[in-house]
Amino acid sequence: QVQLQESGPGLVKPSETLSLTCTVSGGSISSYYWSWIRQPPGKGLEWIGYIYYSGSTNYNPSLKSRVTISVDTSKNQFSLKLSSVTAADTAVYYCARVVMEIYYYYMDVWGKGTTVTVSS
Amino acid sequence: SSELTQDPAVSVALGQTVRITCQGDSLRSYYASWYQQKPGQAPVLVIYGKNNRPSGIPDRFSGSSSGNTASLTITGAQAEDEADYYCNSRDSSGNHLSVVFGGGTKLTVL
Repeated sequence: QVQLQESGPGLVKPSETLSLTCTVSGGSISSYYWSWIRQPPGKGLEWIGYIYYSGSTNYNPSLKSRVTISVDTSKNQFSLKLSSVTAADTAVYYCARVVMEIYYYYMDVWGKGTTVTVSS
Repeated sequence: SSELTQDPAVSVALGQTVRITCQGDSLRSYYASWYQQKPGQAPVLVIYGKNNRPSGIPDRFSGSSSGNTASLTITGAQAEDEADYYCNSRDSSGNHLSVVFGGGTKLTVL
């Protein structure tokens, strides 16, 4: 059974770069898409972007200038970097496995989420 | 970018049927997926594709779609179904393939 676990600093200073890693266990990172999603306190879900195991990416247009998602197949991990953070980037960050075909996109396995606070 | 619109809150009496809707132009081209999120927990996929349930999701959950509206129906709602529900789909507005979430619907079981 595939499991995902987010890891990274829980506190990031304004203007710095948020860095998180998602470790995939119980299965291979290959042949799937993988996504990052976030949820600000008391608000809804926001898609950040996804990466294919081969390295191709797609990002939320509203975050594209600040986001980089990468994959390390040797470690069965994928990562998120979000630069120039502000308090508005404070959120619970989730990683998820994606199934995507022509007519649909869904996330069938999710990590438990990790809280990131942006504060000096 | 396109948007998916959900009612912020819906209530249902225990054992009754409730429909949660999601509207958006992208739903004319793509199926919605639905997620249940309970307080302090990660979202859980409950419906995907035309009307598919992942293993372990009760058959009281079903999905449907018509035009620009996707619906999640819970037939015989249980107390444990009280949660936030989010819809999600691909989006191809503006010649850019993207992904969108609805704003979420808080379901209260009375």
